Amino acid sequence: DAKTTQPTSMDCAEGRAANLPCNHSTISGNEYVYWYRQIHSQGPQYIIHGLKNNETNEMASLIITEDRKSSTLILPHATLRDTAVYYCIVGSGNTGKLIFGQGTTLQVKP
Amino acid sequence: ETGVTQSPTHLIKTRGQQVTLRCSSQSGHNTVSWYQQALGQGPQFIFQYYREEENGRGNFPPRFSGLQFPNYSSELNVNALELDDSALYLCASSQTPDRLHYGYTFGSGTRLTVV
Repeated sequence: DAKTTQPTSMDCAEGRAANLPCNHSTISGNEYVYWYRQIHSQGPQYIIHGLKNNETNEMASLIITEDRKSSTLILPHATLRDTAVYYCIVGSGNTGKLIFGQGTTLQVKP
Repeated sequence: ETGVTQSPTHLIKTRGQQVTLRCSSQSGHNTVSWYQQALGQGPQFIFQYYREEENGRGNFPPRFSGLQFPNYSSELNVNALELDDSALYLCASSQTPDRLHYGYTFGSGTRLTVV
């Protein structure tokens, strides 16, 4: 079973920041938080991952709370092409298995 | 560099038949994983292959089997197809079998319909 809880769906206006929350209250010390997204009719795409520090790359930022029980994925300037299902995944990094939950369907609107 | 390619893109089979799905991994990747994604659900891990050996398996029956070839490409075989096997089958490749940090590159999948 997935170790994360995400809202089923969210809307965001084009050009605004999209903040996608994820709860992972049972995360253990050696587990990382990974984010993938899946655009309709495509395979999932890796976005970002982190352990306890905030992370940023060219796609997004990941903010992890100090107690590591929740995190937020931030898309700073959402575009229509960011409309997708976003998956928050917790894993130890030493396993080859990704356990996907239901994800959050983000709809970016003009 | 090429990504992960899967074939065929769509397939219709009859219940009880057997099917083989194919995957070419991304250049430089030696590990292949297979996932099943039912409509409206997240992908579910089937198994992983590394150096031509199964390297981990999810909760799928033995009629789901696979192969990895010396060039790291892979096949997923499903015997005795059932209606519930209808799904999108995704292949993902990675540089190593046990480090999620490097990220997985997914193909666009094969849509299997069992009638």
